[in-house]
Amino acid sequence: EDQVTQSPEALRLQEGESSSLNCSYTVSGLRGLFWYRQDPGKGPEFLFTLYSAGEEKEKERLKATLTKKESFLHITAPKPEDSATYLCAVGSGGGADGLTFGKGTHLIIQP
Amino acid sequence: DVKVTQSSRYLVKRTGEKVFLECVQDMDHENMFWYRQDPGLGLRLIYFSYDVKMKEKGDIPEGYSVSREKKERFSLILESASTNQTSMYLCASTIPGGHEQFFGPGTRLTVL
Repeated sequence: EDQVTQSPEALRLQEGESSSLNCSYTVSGLRGLFWYRQDPGKGPEFLFTLYSAGEEKEKERLKATLTKKESFLHITAPKPEDSATYLCAVGSGGGADGLTFGKGTHLIIQP
Repeated sequence: DVKVTQSSRYLVKRTGEKVFLECVQDMDHENMFWYRQDPGLGLRLIYFSYDVKMKEKGDIPEGYSVSREKKERFSLILESASTNQTSMYLCASTIPGGHEQFFGPGTRLTVL
């Protein structure tokens, strides 16, 4: 059974204070690891897909990296508008295209 | 821009009522999904569909059914709503092959 664990559950940072969110996973044949951003009361918004260990993707202040056991979402010099819940999900060979999600990291950036 | 829409943002129903949640995507995606999201439990897959008239159970199908009569539309049905089905319901779609899914805005369902 695929499993995804995100840490920390919640993180409060000052504006400009860089940090990283962790996503640890166990999966039977990784087809992709996905990061989403979710604002309160809204659906998840797609950020990145990573397919193989060593791969990195960047978008503005966000950078996602992948190893064989975990992924990190690095946030550089965050702004208050980066406050959201960040979700990690994996797709596996046995999952028939369904995704297994972690419970998310609730990020608050204080001005 | 990809777009997934859901029929209602907020819905309040009574125990025992039949509830229909509708989802429409305009991206010509083959695969569509229904999830529910609850605090502390994350997103859990209820049902998914590979094609018109095809459906597969996800991790928590009990108490739900689905219908896919057209490629762009995927409906979630609660035959007899119960209070433990109070939740945020999210629809998503994607192309085959394990690629990223695109989500709708969600329906916050309250069953009284």
